[in-house]
Amino acid sequence: NAGVTQTPKFRVLKTGQSMTLLCAQDMNHEYMYWYRQDPGMGLRLIHYSVGEGTTAKGEVPDGYNVSRLKKQNFLLGLESAAPSQTSVYFCASSYAGGQRIYGYTFGSGTRLTVV
Amino acid sequence: DQQVKQNSPSLSVQEGRISILNCDYTNSMFDYFLWYKKYPAEGPTFLISISSIKDKNEDGRFTVFLNKSAKHLSLHIVPSQPGDSAVYFCAARRGNRDDKIIFGKGTRLHILP
Repeated sequence: NAGVTQTPKFRVLKTGQSMTLLCAQDMNHEYMYWYRQDPGMGLRLIHYSVGEGTTAKGEVPDGYNVSRLKKQNFLLGLESAAPSQTSVYFCASSYAGGQRIYGYTFGSGTRLTVV
Repeated sequence: DQQVKQNSPSLSVQEGRISILNCDYTNSMFDYFLWYKKYPAEGPTFLISISSIKDKNEDGRFTVFLNKSAKHLSLHIVPSQPGDSAVYFCAARRGNRDDKIIFGKGTRLHILP
């Protein structure tokens, strides 16, 4: 029972480097999301997708790009990492509409440190 | 502007007693409210939700109360158990199809032996 899988789990980047975080879900969910969690800030939405081939900006999209080429995958890219992007990143997925009462299914997170 | 507010960063409760976690919101368009629980090094997990047309929802030891006039909801855990020690996020979502969940900053609950 995989649910939502995030890779990698940990990563250290140097300022200016790029990387891609991968999120994969096996529940046939339509919607997928990327959040970041910072101390005292809760969970903030970076980007989200309501279906294959679609993406939209969330609350804190600057410095990130996303792609959803396949329904089950949602990629988060950092083109030029900055120390302010040090955070724990969570991917989540959900059904649309009527299943909203169950909210999202989250992955276990990627801890990213930018030095 | 914070639409979902959890004003208590932490809360300590004796094992066996009632834990009450509070949450306030500002957007009257929210139609569903949810609570998530998060352990260290894990992702948040869904705990319980309530529709805006109800004032109470119960699931085992967990009960969520909604006071729409005050724009306030609370999560009651009775009795509190050691495994309840975690961070609890209050969340809310609006009523359109492409809505997103907005989270509060979380409250860390410590259950004391």
